[in-house]
Amino acid sequence: GAGVSQSPRYKVAKRGQDVALRCDPISGHVSLFWYQQALGQGPEFLTYFQNEAQLDKSGLPSDRFFAERPEGSVSTLKIQRTQQEDSAVYLCASSPRDHSYEQYFGPGTRLTVT
Amino acid sequence: GDSVTQMEGPVTLSEEAFLTINCTYTATGYPSLFWYVQYPGEGLQLLLKATKADDKGSNKGFEATYRKETTSFHLEKGSVQVSDSAVYFCALSDPKRGGSNYKLTFGKGTLLTVNP
Repeated sequence: GAGVSQSPRYKVAKRGQDVALRCDPISGHVSLFWYQQALGQGPEFLTYFQNEAQLDKSGLPSDRFFAERPEGSVSTLKIQRTQQEDSAVYLCASSPRDHSYEQYFGPGTRLTVT
Repeated sequence: GDSVTQMEGPVTLSEEAFLTINCTYTATGYPSLFWYVQYPGEGLQLLLKATKADDKGSNKGFEATYRKETTSFHLEKGSVQVSDSAVYFCALSDPKRGGSNYKLTFGKGTLLTVNP
């Protein structure tokens, strides 16, 4: 079956532009996570959804970052007024249950802010 | 807060050599521990896991044992292959009492290159 997909795979934005990154989780997966992976670092947690409810957004680095999952499937991570420090790979992961260690990762979106 | 410290790379080995990548963790609860692998050009994949003390996770010839007394989860393989070349991440999940967020806390990753 299809895995987690993310689009676009690569995004170049000028500083100050808004961007939207899309995640299509595995069909039927309840939980969805966003992570940010800076160059040479491990992924860092941004936010977590259980169905359409955003239950944890403690990792979002500033109020310029916003995520939604309105129908409990596709999710969008939006970054407003991008800054150079936002350059990173943004990873999405989904999980079949809300109490589960199994997270299936997408290929990521590499964002470069110039 | 929770944290994972893993051996810094890069690690370069010859085929059939023995591999160890060290990983230690700090957590307030009773975490589950994981090794993820990222092959070139691909997404993160779960390699193995252990959910309680003294559990041994294993997959594709890799093993790691959850050692609570030393807060460690070192990755080992007896004989590496060229196809094992990848970045390896140690991670933990420590949902707090009553919580349902199984977010992962990762180490920085270790690049392994295996030469023929």
